[in-house]
Amino acid sequence: EAGVAQSPRYKIIEKRQSVAFWCNPISGHATLYWYQQILGQGPKLLIQFQNNGVVDDSQLPKDRFSAERLKGVDSTLKIQPAKLEDSAVYLCASSLTGGVQETQYFGPGTRLLVL
Amino acid sequence: GQNIDQPTEMTATEGAIVQINCTYQTSGFNGLFWYQQHAGEAPTFLSYNVLDGLEEKGRFSSFLSRSKGYSYLLLKELQMKDSASYLCAVGNSGYALNFGKGTSLLVTP
Repeated sequence: EAGVAQSPRYKIIEKRQSVAFWCNPISGHATLYWYQQILGQGPKLLIQFQNNGVVDDSQLPKDRFSAERLKGVDSTLKIQPAKLEDSAVYLCASSLTGGVQETQYFGPGTRLLVL
Repeated sequence: GQNIDQPTEMTATEGAIVQINCTYQTSGFNGLFWYQQHAGEAPTFLSYNVLDGLEEKGRFSSFLSRSKGYSYLLLKELQMKDSASYLCAVGNSGYALNFGKGTSLLVTP
């Protein structure tokens, strides 16, 4: 079974530029999560999708971050414009139905460095 | 809100036993997860507790006391490959998992 795929793996941009990350969850998983993990900290949930609908985006900085999952499969997370403090690893995860007791499977992450 | 505390770093010797503690305060509780994260890699699932008691899975065990807001991960017969960060995560009354900052475990020869 293929795991969660993410691209790119690494990205370096200058502040005020834009960047987009892509995630393809495990086939058949209805729920998709985007997390931000700053160095030395645990992952912080940015947004959760159930199929193509948003379940929770309470911690997403909506003035600069946006995400979509138009067909309920793969997803894109965008930052526009980027700030220095956005330097982090962006992890995508998926689970079968989204129950809080379910295991979440994580992708390899995209490492973003904002200069 | 939620507050999850775990030690920042621990060191143990190959072949030994180590216990990583996690305390939490949460509004609503839907279980506690432990994930392992090797440097530069994604977190991988280790264990899930929703009822009080000990869950054993090979060399790894996890314990939960809901009344005390306390969990621990016990690693036996430590191996060098167990050097990693161990993340405690709590499911709240909504849909989200809230992660602690992680405990960086170093296993030495």
